[in-house]
Amino acid sequence: DIVMTQSPLSLPVTPGEPASISCKSSQSLLHRNGKNYLDWYLQKPGQSPHLLIYLASNRASGVPDRFSGSGSGTDFTLKISRVEAEDVGIYYCMEALQTPQTFGQGTKVEIK
Amino acid sequence: EVQLVESGGGSVQPGGSLRLSCLASGFTFSSYWMTWVRHTPGKGLECVANIEHDGSEKYYVDSVKGRFTISRDNAKNSLYLQMNNLRAEDTAVYYCARDRLVTGRHYYYGLGVWGQGTTVTVSS
Repeated sequence: DIVMTQSPLSLPVTPGEPASISCKSSQSLLHRNGKNYLDWYLQKPGQSPHLLIYLASNRASGVPDRFSGSGSGTDFTLKISRVEAEDVGIYYCMEALQTPQTFGQGTKVEIK
Repeated sequence: EVQLVESGGGSVQPGGSLRLSCLASGFTFSSYWMTWVRHTPGKGLECVANIEHDGSEKYYVDSVKGRFTISRDNAKNSLYLQMNNLRAEDTAVYYCARDRLVTGRHYYYGLGVWGQGTTVTVSS
């Protein structure tokens, strides 16, 4: 089974400043089709999770361009170029190479 | 509007059963894999089960194998999760989510649509 490890688990942020979350997988998520099967999700307080990034670097529809995803193989990063107050919540990476998929532990982002 | 609406959650004693339902609208349900995901404050998010677009294959996380059954009725645009022999550790909010698109080939765009969730509490 693939194990997903996120860091940090808690991230205090200052509005207007950048932020970054790391996600490492125990196995490569690079499919033979050349795509990395790694997604990022955000669960805001009191809401359902929603998709931010799919296949490592593709922003989902309606996601602001301050969010970006990068990485390949086993190392991935989610970056927020300038954090806004509405970005608070728990961020999860998820591998989609196996079924059922596996999530990371989550990174709680809160305003300093 | 693309939408998923779950129902069927509730409180049950250990060893009991529940059947969750998820009604889809606004998209061609029969063309998508579907996934049940649960959330607990302590463990975060966990994919519980997947089902292929035509119901031909089903996949389960080890902790629910032999106890949970995922199914679908494409004529009714509905997804189900039959949960038997429930345990305290199954207590969670359960979400249905739209998974990969199948139109001859498989297309992956993430778990792009989620329902609002239904709460399952297992306690004596």
